[in-house]
Amino acid sequence: GAVVSQHPSRVICKSGTSVKIECRSLDFQATTMFWYRQFPKQSLMLMATSNEGSKATYEQGVEKDKFLINHASLTLSTLTVTSAHPEDSSFYICSARKGGSTDTQYFGPGTRLTVL
Amino acid sequence: RKEVEQDPGPFNVPEGATVAFNCTYSNSASQSFFWYRQDCRKEPKLLMSVYSSGNEDGRFTAQLNRASQYISLLIRDSKLSDSATYLCVVNRAYNQGGKLIFGQGTELSVKP
Repeated sequence: GAVVSQHPSRVICKSGTSVKIECRSLDFQATTMFWYRQFPKQSLMLMATSNEGSKATYEQGVEKDKFLINHASLTLSTLTVTSAHPEDSSFYICSARKGGSTDTQYFGPGTRLTVL
Repeated sequence: RKEVEQDPGPFNVPEGATVAFNCTYSNSASQSFFWYRQDCRKEPKLLMSVYSSGNEDGRFTAQLNRASQYISLLIRDSKLSDSATYLCVVNRAYNQGGKLIFGQGTELSVKP
């Protein structure tokens, strides 16, 4: 099966710092990657769609200057939470799609961010 | 109104019980449908796709009614290990971004 990794799995940082989360597809090339955020007891909310070599498409209400997404290669996308604040504390999950409109999305294990 | 809505939980059932989850979606152009399972503090994992003709995988049966925009999941003979949150997920059509839209999830707790 397809494997997606995320790093780090957990991060605690001070308010005002920036945090970078990596999402890698380990055994396939991902033309599209997705970034989700999940608050406690809530469902996954799509933040943005990341296509290799082009700008990410952000969902309504997600600040693109705060959540910087880079998809520089077919196996790596990064999400940088800039100037993090306590309200950014959440579970961030990426997924990767091999290609085509109907291919399954494979989820990474998630990154738990705590901003103090 | 949310695009995907599920039964509010939690469901607390004894081992061996049959439990049914319901889900409705509002976007009639939705293309494909899934049930995912999410354990506490973990990523969601695909449980099964849902087909118009209905499909079964062991103790799990999924049904789709496109006319009513309704999806269901039936778990028979529930096990302790079935305890998790079950997410109804809809895939938008490719011309709408091909995105997965998640329901809020229904928590299931199976007790001995």
